[in-house]
Amino acid sequence: GQNIDQPTEMTATEGAIVQINCTYQTSGFNGLFWYQQHAGEAPTFLSYNVLDGLEEKGRFSSFLSRSKGYSYLLLKELQMKDSASYLCAVLDSNYQLIWGAGTKLIIKP
Amino acid sequence: GAVVSQHPSWVICKSGTSVKIECRSLDFQATTMFWYRQFPKQSLMLMATSNEGSKATYEQGVEKDKFLINHASLTLSTLTVTSAHPEDSSFYICSLKGTVENTEAFFGQGTRLTVV
Repeated sequence: GQNIDQPTEMTATEGAIVQINCTYQTSGFNGLFWYQQHAGEAPTFLSYNVLDGLEEKGRFSSFLSRSKGYSYLLLKELQMKDSASYLCAVLDSNYQLIWGAGTKLIIKP
Repeated sequence: GAVVSQHPSWVICKSGTSVKIECRSLDFQATTMFWYRQFPKQSLMLMATSNEGSKATYEQGVEKDKFLINHASLTLSTLTVTSAHPEDSSFYICSLKGTVENTEAFFGQGTRLTVV
C-alpha cells in the first residue's frame, strides 16, 4: 500500500528553527510537495522537490532523499503566523497526489 | 500559478436538501479536477477525479449517486451533495492538476458545508 508518515504535532518557539519530517512509501515517485494549511482554509503551495537535495525559498527550505523515501521541511526565523498544519504529499506513478495526515505546528512566543 | 475559484466559500443547508459547489479554472484549461473532503483535524481525502467530458472516477467508499460531479467544460467542474445529512458537514476543496510537466496542484478556496 501507499503510505506517508509525518508527525502529528510539533511545538516550537518564535524566532527558532523547526524541521518537519516526512517519510513515504508509494507506487512510483514523480515529486514531493509541501503545503501549508491554516485552519479552515485551503492548502497553499510551499515547495516541490523531484531531485535529491535541498531547495531553499526564503525562510522555508525543503529537502529530498529519494533513496531513503524521506523529505523534510525546514522553517527558519519562526513567526507566529507560521502556526498552521503542514502537509506532505507525493505524486505517484499515475500522477495522483498521495497526502500525509499533516503536522500541526504550534508556535509559542 | 493557475487561479482556481471555488464557490460558495461556506453554506448552511437543511438536512435533505442538495447543495452545489462550483470550481472554476480562471486561466487554465483543466482536463482533470480533483474533489477532496476534509473533516476537522484530518488530512485531505480524495473523493473523486473529474475528467472533462466523461464520467468522474470515485474513490472507494464514496457514493457516486450522492456526490454528483459534472465536468462539462475545461474551466468548470461542479460537485452536488444530494440529500445532505449532518454527517456530510465538512470542508470540500477542489483542485486542478497541471500538465505532466507542471505537476503542481492548484486549489480552490474551499467550501465549508454545514448541514443542520
